Amino acid sequence: DAGVIQSPRHEVTEMGQEVTLRCKPISGHDYLFWYRQTMMRGLELLIYFNNNVPIDDSGMPEDRFSAKMPNASFSTLKIQPSEPRDSAVYFCASSPGPPNPDTQYFGPGTRLTVL
Amino acid sequence: AQSVTQLDSHVSVSEGTPVLLRCNYSSSYSPSLFWYVQHPNKGLQLLLKYTSAATLVKGINGFEAEFKKSETSFHLTKPSAHMSDAAEYFCVVRTATDSWGKFQFGAGTQVVVTP
Repeated sequence: DAGVIQSPRHEVTEMGQEVTLRCKPISGHDYLFWYRQTMMRGLELLIYFNNNVPIDDSGMPEDRFSAKMPNASFSTLKIQPSEPRDSAVYFCASSPGPPNPDTQYFGPGTRLTVL
Repeated sequence: AQSVTQLDSHVSVSEGTPVLLRCNYSSSYSPSLFWYVQHPNKGLQLLLKYTSAATLVKGINGFEAEFKKSETSFHLTKPSAHMSDAAEYFCVVRTATDSWGKFQFGAGTQVVVTP
């Protein structure tokens, strides 16, 4: 398996623009997570899905952020409008169901820079 | 309230000497505990996990961790550091009071290995 795939790997955009980050989880995994990593706040869980359904989005910073999972093999994280403080590395991770639901497999991340 | 505390933000060791990374957690119930490693510009990789089985957990690359309930600790050790161990390490906890997928990450410990 290719692992968790994220695109793009790097994104540079201007304040006010819409940004869409993409994730393809490992085939067969029931859970998908979106994280944000910054120097100031460390690694934060934004949202996670189980079987394509959002379970906990309490970490989503504000209404400018939205995440979808239209099917088991694809998820998006959208920021509209983007702001400089959104600059961070965004990780997607997936996790299998039983017997190892706890283990998360991380993608390489998308480094977002908002100017 | 913070659920996981990594006591050292930076650790420097010489190649061939032991490594100790300290982690304390707070939880009213038996937690699930994990250690992840992140090499530069890479995603996180699971080193080991504790989920209420044996208290001494062995992971990949010669790492192990011991769950000590009385001390609420889950310290990570390796008897002999290798240059390839230079990375950032995250202690992660999931408590029973959170939703299943709400893993909480420590602030990370940066490990430097000198020749």
